[in-house]
Amino acid sequence: ETGVTQSPTHLIKTRGQQVTLRCSSQSGHNTVSWYQQALGQGPQFIFQYYREEENGRGNFPPRFSGLQFPNYSSELNVNALELDDSALYLCASSLDPSGGYEQYFGPGTRLTVT
Amino acid sequence: AQTVTQSQPEMSVQEAETVTLSCTYDTSESDYYLFWYKQPPSRQMILVIRQEAYKQQNATENRFSVNFQKAAKSFSLKISDSQLGDAAMYFCAYRRHSGGYQKVTFGIGTKLQVIP
Repeated sequence: ETGVTQSPTHLIKTRGQQVTLRCSSQSGHNTVSWYQQALGQGPQFIFQYYREEENGRGNFPPRFSGLQFPNYSSELNVNALELDDSALYLCASSLDPSGGYEQYFGPGTRLTVT
Repeated sequence: AQTVTQSQPEMSVQEAETVTLSCTYDTSESDYYLFWYKQPPSRQMILVIRQEAYKQQNATENRFSVNFQKAAKSFSLKISDSQLGDAAMYFCAYRRHSGGYQKVTFGIGTKLQVIP
């Protein structure tokens, strides 16, 4: 069974640029959630995708957007990068968006905005 | 809105001893899940233990157990026989039981140091 993977591991971007982060969900999982973890903080929920549709969103502006593909892998896109977007971005997959299904986390992508 | 508070930024424990990490939360819901996650340095976050609010019995997973006090909205984690591999950030987290998506609300974390 393949776990959750994310790419790239690290990324450095300049303020105002756009970035795309990628996540491959665990085999059989149809739900992917994205979290932002700033340094010294707990993860904050960005949004969740279920069967290619966004079905829940946290308090993040529209310049944070995403996609989920038929194979349930997912992308997180951030436009007009700001210095405060520097963080570890985590994705997590699960068997189902509701109920008590466990979320399995990837290793994260460390984004630095200069 | 739900909030999760971890008031201990750092804790330390001697190897083989017992340590308790504290967590309080605030919610108006009656049914929900509570979690403790472990995030080792530069490694993936993993679930340590889960508690369903409608279950009165405290969850246990080997050396890890919780003290769930629903009325007090308290959810502490006890680690027995601490091992060097337990050193990590520990996050307390909350999730509503109902609803169509899995928004998990995390606390700020407690850094646990295990002293040989």
